Amino acid sequence: EVQLVESGGGLVQPGGSLRLSCAVSGISFTDQYLDWVRQAPGKGLEWVGRSRNKANSYTADYAASVKGRFTISRDESRSSLHLQLNSLKTEDTAVYYCVRDVYGSLRIDYWGQGTLVIVSS
Amino acid sequence: DIQMTQSPSSLSASVGDRVTITCRASQSISNYLNWYQQKPGKAPKLLIYDASTLQSGVPSRFSGSGSGTDFTLTIRSLQPEDFATYYCQQSYSTLYSFGQGTKLEIK
Repeated sequence: EVQLVESGGGLVQPGGSLRLSCAVSGISFTDQYLDWVRQAPGKGLEWVGRSRNKANSYTADYAASVKGRFTISRDESRSSLHLQLNSLKTEDTAVYYCVRDVYGSLRIDYWGQGTLVIVSS
Repeated sequence: DIQMTQSPSSLSASVGDRVTITCRASQSISNYLNWYQQKPGKAPKLLIYDASTLQSGVPSRFSGSGSGTDFTLTIRSLQPEDFATYYCQQSYSTLYSFGQGTKLEIK
């Protein structure tokens, strides 16, 4: 069974940092394109960033709204995907989903349950 | 960036009805269009990909069509479990984007 389990969300002040994690199981971690998608409360879905598979050197892309502030990384030994959030703004408040992008096709067939990040003073 | 616009934003319908949701792209995206269903408090679920291909396990009452800039999701004979919010997503550009969503409510 494929499982994506996020953790690390919480309350942080504007300008602060947070690190989200996604534990991946049931699929070959190194073969996967893994993305982060977020959803602000009561709002729609927004793609945040992507980590390509090992064959593509785990290179990452980012949405313009987070580029330079957020960083995606992997820990192969733990089959974990991470999202480092720096210089957080109130508009970054959202549920952050870890998702599987089907072989880089840009369609998502597996989603985690999400982790809530609240940026507030 | 490619903008995706859905209409309507909300829709009321009854069990057994046939409903259609429209998604328009700001530029041609060929058939690189996916549809998702999201229920309150849950992660979205992939329904249709490449504009018209039904994801495994999705009931056949769901169908998709379109190419270029205009796409539709049709639900034939609405069931109680279909009341949810639906999102389109373009997978043409690496920096993919979603529509704003269509909330389907019970009349």
